[in-house]
Amino acid sequence: GAVVSQHPSWVICKSGTSVKIECRSLDFQATTMFWYRQFPKQSLMLMATSNEGSKATYEQGVEKDKFLINHASLTLSTLTVTSAHPEDSSFYICSASAGFQETQYFGPGTRLLVL
Amino acid sequence: AQSVTQPDIHITVSEGASLELRCNYSYGATPYLFWYVQSPGQGLQLLLKYFSGDTLVQGIKGFEAEFKRSQSSFNLRKPSVHWSDAAEYFCAVVTQGGSEKLVFGKGTKLTVNP
Repeated sequence: GAVVSQHPSWVICKSGTSVKIECRSLDFQATTMFWYRQFPKQSLMLMATSNEGSKATYEQGVEKDKFLINHASLTLSTLTVTSAHPEDSSFYICSASAGFQETQYFGPGTRLLVL
Repeated sequence: AQSVTQPDIHITVSEGASLELRCNYSYGATPYLFWYVQSPGQGLQLLLKYFSGDTLVQGIKGFEAEFKRSQSSFNLRKPSVHWSDAAEYFCAVVTQGGSEKLVFGKGTKLTVNP
């Protein structure tokens, strides 16, 4: 149990376009989902926390207008990178938990390359 | 603010040897403690967690970890390493009664020699 999927696993896009990444909890209802960014050979950096049906809470320094997060249901959250630029190229990982301070289960990640 | 320290950036062991990965946290009370493993290009897989109770926690893939309050440590151990254990290991904490945010250490890369 506790499987989280992400789609797509790889995406290449042109600078200036927008990219949507989906995160789904497959076998449990995720009241909270988290979005992380990971640079090569580094740890995960939390970007934002989203609760179903409410606005996401962004970490300091993360542009909420650039990284749009929607958590429309208990099994799906989406991250849209708007007007992507090469510096947005990174590995994006989501996680989901079934309740407050419950264990976070991670998706396999999405590698974004902006040309 | 709470923090997590993994003192070893890179560890190399021979297959079949024992392994201990160190993790220390800085927080006034007992946090929830986790160890995750990340294979190259993959997401994170939960190895084990400690919330309360028995301080020696058993996880998947033959891993265990021991919570030592006096040392603010949660070291990960495995008695005999397999080549497939080569990966990046992250220790993480969530503060009890605080936010849900996981605070990660910087990770320890494990290389296994044949």
